[in-house]
Amino acid sequence: GEDVEQSLFLSVREGDSSVINCTYTDSSSTYLYWYKQEPGAGLQLLTYIFSNMDMKQDQRLTVLLNKKDKHLSLRIADTQTGDSAIYFCAESRGSQGNLIFGKGTKLSVKP
Amino acid sequence: NAGVTQTPKFQVLKTGQSMTLQCAQDMNHNSMYWYRQDPGMGLRLIYYSASEGTTDKGEVPNGYNVSRLNKREFSLRLESAAPSQTSVYFCASRGAADTQYFGPGTRLTVL
Repeated sequence: GEDVEQSLFLSVREGDSSVINCTYTDSSSTYLYWYKQEPGAGLQLLTYIFSNMDMKQDQRLTVLLNKKDKHLSLRIADTQTGDSAIYFCAESRGSQGNLIFGKGTKLSVKP
Repeated sequence: NAGVTQTPKFQVLKTGQSMTLQCAQDMNHNSMYWYRQDPGMGLRLIYYSASEGTTDKGEVPNGYNVSRLNKREFSLRLESAAPSQTSVYFCASRGAADTQYFGPGTRLTVL
């Protein structure tokens, strides 16, 4: 299909790891992205990965990319209540580099 | 640096009224974007501008016009607002690696 797909909800306990999954559609996407949106705020770029990489780690965040399956995941280690937000996966598409976003995964962190 | 700024933050219009949403970025980016965000629909691209003096339609351009006033500023105009345009509107600009940086949003209600 044409859409970038994500599950809509994820609930975890504080201190656990969170894994948010995404499937994308364009095998020629150069970059893939994760954004975070807190209530009432704009989207904040968390991290991105170049398509020739399998993994990228940045402090508590680990991004895994499986190009064969067009699957992207974001792992948040030691999840905190401040990580509660909506997380969007996005792919760059076309010569203009426009981003196509998934509908977002709402992460709820329970104390 | 302020990044991407948007005005106003909130607006209530009556059906048929017009208004212009303002966006400015101070990152010297060439490309700028307007999105709308609706519950369950994710972000949808309204218009974009790849460079000063050019604009192109995105996924949902009907009912909107844009102006790329200069490199910094990209405005979105609703000529005759309709209740279906009740939404949260985000402006973004594009940096290296096709990353997009978002403003805080304008929450628009059309009665």
